Amino acid sequence: DTAVSQTPKYLVTQMGNDKSIKCEQNLGHDTMYWYKQDSKKFLKIMFSYNNKELIINETVPNRFSPKSPDKAHLNLHINSLELGDSAVYFCASSQGGEGSPLHFGNGTRLTVT
Amino acid sequence: AQSVTQPDIHITVSEGASLELRCNYSYGATPYLFWYVQSPGQGLQLLLKYFSGDTLVQGIKGFEAEFKRSQSSFNLRKPSVHWSDAAEYFCAVARSGNTGKLIFGQGTTLQVKP
Repeated sequence: DTAVSQTPKYLVTQMGNDKSIKCEQNLGHDTMYWYKQDSKKFLKIMFSYNNKELIINETVPNRFSPKSPDKAHLNLHINSLELGDSAVYFCASSQGGEGSPLHFGNGTRLTVT
Repeated sequence: AQSVTQPDIHITVSEGASLELRCNYSYGATPYLFWYVQSPGQGLQLLLKYFSGDTLVQGIKGFEAEFKRSQSSFNLRKPSVHWSDAAEYFCAVARSGNTGKLIFGQGTTLQVKP
């Protein structure tokens, strides 16, 4: 009965490829996020969507394109993968109200070779 | 700009001993403060949060944290550590009006000795 689920859990691919990570939440939340955790475990927000509308877009290369088909799903597509894209990507959701805590998925470990 | 510092990268405590993980933040107003825990291969789980009111907040798994405005700190404590508490702990801050945008500290790795 997973609340925030991401697929795949692991993704190994070569430089230059295009890949997608999918995220789904069954909590009925209005807001979804993508966070990136680098090799030093530093976490940084990438994007946030509220009811399918982009509300946060940090300084992320435009090779990264989030897509929200409905408020329960937020997918992350990455074009022309680079070595530096290797990281763990976390999807999260929240009710969206002030101070609402984030519920995180278990992460997708992306390795670019 | 907001920032969070967790001065201890790695802490080792014996099982049953008390624990304090330090967190200092930089923010002009009263921030929204959070502690998350990340077990290996898992996502982040919220331990507790502080917005206003009583400066000592209780969380899950027996954790508590104290907000000290004068020291810009939000330290996490537990009176008696269990082996299952070994994990990565993250302090995070958010500002009013944008509380989904968490600014995380570098994390503290907790190791528990038997």
